[in-house]
Amino acid sequence: NAGVTQTPKFQVLKTGQSMTLQCAQDMNHNSMYWYRQDPGMGLRLIYYSASEGTTDKGEVPNGYNVSRLNKREFSLRLESAAPSQTSVYFCASSEGQLGNTIYFGEGSWLTVV
Amino acid sequence: RKEVEQDPGPFNVPEGATVAFNCTYSNSASQSFFWYRQDCRKEPKLLMSVYSSGNEDGRFTAQLNRASQYISLLIRDSKLSDSATYLCVPRTGRRALTFGSGTRLQVQP
Repeated sequence: NAGVTQTPKFQVLKTGQSMTLQCAQDMNHNSMYWYRQDPGMGLRLIYYSASEGTTDKGEVPNGYNVSRLNKREFSLRLESAAPSQTSVYFCASSEGQLGNTIYFGEGSWLTVV
Repeated sequence: RKEVEQDPGPFNVPEGATVAFNCTYSNSASQSFFWYRQDCRKEPKLLMSVYSSGNEDGRFTAQLNRASQYISLLIRDSKLSDSATYLCVPRTGRRALTFGSGTRLQVQP
C-alpha cells in the first residue's frame, strides 16, 4: 500500500519549458489536491478535485493546469515554467468529499532556472 | 487578514520541557481544527483533530477557544523527536483545507 505517489521527486527546468507532475493514490480516495510550499511559508493550495470529474481552483492557480485522469490520478501541468514556480509541490488525497484527514505524497522539488 | 496566523518560532526548548503554541484563525465559522506535523523536507502528517473544545492524545493536548478564535497545542515532556514544524488547519464549510505557515519547534538535548 503505497499511499500517495508523486513523480518526479526532483526536476530542474529552464524558463519557458513545460512539464507535468504526476500523482496517484491507491486508497480509493475521492478528493485530491496539489499544494506548493515555498521556503518558510505554509502550504498553498493550487488546485483540487473534490471528486472524479471535477476540478477547482485553489489559492494560487495561475500558471498551472490540472487533470483528474481517473479516481486514482491527478496531474499538475506547468505550461511555461517561470522562476517564481520554483517550489516544493505536494500532491495529497482525502476520503469522501474534501475529507479532514489529508494524506500527502513525499513532495516534488522543482527548480526553474 | 490571513485565515490562520501562527508564530513561526523557532521555539527552542530542552528535552522534558512543556511547550505551547497558539494559532489564531479569522473565520468564526470554522467548525473543526487539525494540527499537522511536518518534519524538515518531509510531507505533513496529521497529528490531532479537534472537533469540540479540545482533544488529548498522550503528551499532546489541543484546546480550542472559540470566543477568542484561537487554538493551542501543548506538548508535555518534550522529546528530541518532537522537533518539527506544527501546522494549524481550520475546517470551514466544505472548502478544501488551508494551512498556516506553521510553528517550528526545536527540542534540544
